[in-house]
Amino acid sequence: GAVVSQHPSRVICKSGTSVKIECRSLDFQATTMFWYRQFPKQSLMLMATSNEGSKATYEQGVEKDKFLINHASLTLSTLTVTSAHPEDSSFYICSATGQGILRPRSTDTQYFGPGTRLTVL
Amino acid sequence: AQSVTQLGSHVSVSEGALVLLRCNYSSSVPPYLFWYVQYPNQGLQLLLKYTTGATLVKGINGFEAEFKKSETSFHLTKPSAHMSDAAEYFCAVSERKTSYDKVIFGPGTSLSVIP
Repeated sequence: GAVVSQHPSRVICKSGTSVKIECRSLDFQATTMFWYRQFPKQSLMLMATSNEGSKATYEQGVEKDKFLINHASLTLSTLTVTSAHPEDSSFYICSATGQGILRPRSTDTQYFGPGTRLTVL
Repeated sequence: AQSVTQLGSHVSVSEGALVLLRCNYSSSVPPYLFWYVQYPNQGLQLLLKYTTGATLVKGINGFEAEFKKSETSFHLTKPSAHMSDAAEYFCAVSERKTSYDKVIFGPGTSLSVIP
């Protein structure tokens, strides 16, 4: 299957600092990437959708200035949690959909990264 | 608006027994439906999906699901549970309103397999 990576897998930071999480599609062009947040024992909550080269579309209730999303290329999207606080601690997961160069992918399926565990002290 | 419900937040089965995880959806347009599995502290892995065509869909690891439009259901089954099947399972529906597919996830069902 398609491979999506996330970096870092785990990060611990102090309150007030900013944290950047990277999401990369390794073997296909990710025209669209999604960022989710997951609390323990709960489902995934979509935070935003980003298309390469354009501004992200945020879901209702998600602060744009708090969660900065950049999708600068067809293989990379970043989520920056600005001025992180303990309530931002969560599991952040990205997914991607798009067309492959070497192996065509259908756009009806999202391929998920392994997630990033953020802990804000 | 689309939504997904999963009956039973936790299901326990004995090893070798039938696995049945229930999923019902609501959608104003013909849906794309998915089942994903999540192991602890990991991302989601696609088990199977229904888009069009045959309503009985076979996926990985011996799982299958049947799309029943009249019942708005997409239940996941496996004839014989294995210990490695213990995980969190999410049913999802796609909105298909744009060129990309926004996916709405159900609340999840935690599957335990008893030796």
